[in-house]
Amino acid sequence: ILNVEQSPQSLHVQEGDSTNFTCSFPSSNFYALHWYRWETAKSPEALFVMTLNGDEKKKGRISATLNTKEGYSYLYIKGSQPEDSATYLCAFIAGGTSYGKLTFGQGTILTVHP
Amino acid sequence: DTGVSQDPRHKITKRGQNVTFRCDPISEHNRLYWYRQTLGQGPEFLTYFQNEAQLEKSRLLSDRFSAERPKGSFSTLEIQRTEQGDSAMYLCASSLALSDRVGTDTQYFGPGTRLTVL
Repeated sequence: ILNVEQSPQSLHVQEGDSTNFTCSFPSSNFYALHWYRWETAKSPEALFVMTLNGDEKKKGRISATLNTKEGYSYLYIKGSQPEDSATYLCAFIAGGTSYGKLTFGQGTILTVHP
Repeated sequence: DTGVSQDPRHKITKRGQNVTFRCDPISEHNRLYWYRQTLGQGPEFLTYFQNEAQLEKSRLLSDRFSAERPKGSFSTLEIQRTEQGDSAMYLCASSLALSDRVGTDTQYFGPGTRLTVL
């Protein structure tokens, strides 16, 4: 059974703060890591797909890094805004499979206070 | 709107009843996925299709669950003899998986069907 862990479970920050959360996954048999943002009452929205060790992706104020050797990824949000409030999910794809199954972490709930 | 759509958005049923959900993927997406999400957890994989073929099914999925994608377009997920433990958000996603990008294709999610079993 694959174990994908995210920390912290929840986070409260003030508008303008920068923040980051962690996704830990099995370092063996890594294939890809996906990050999603899920706002209440909306569909999960894809942020990044990461495959290579040392990968760094950026989308506006959000960026992510990947370390496949030690099995973790960080998601950073610079200058948080209230509209960044959402649950941030990472999901792992194992190698040697049919490459369709995403194994999700439990998510980090971010609340940005004005 | 050309996103993934799911119907119904909410379903309340009594224990023991059968329910069926529908998912319409993004047009021309060849892969379609079903996940289930319960409170405080991330989505949990149930099954997925490539075109009409069901390629993988979770071992956690009991025989009461069945999914079909008969023409490689929309899909249905049926739960027979529902139990209170089936109460969850059922999410559908679709993707365009090309042979050189399998596993790195983005899965686009629908809004989900929230099932409540009384």
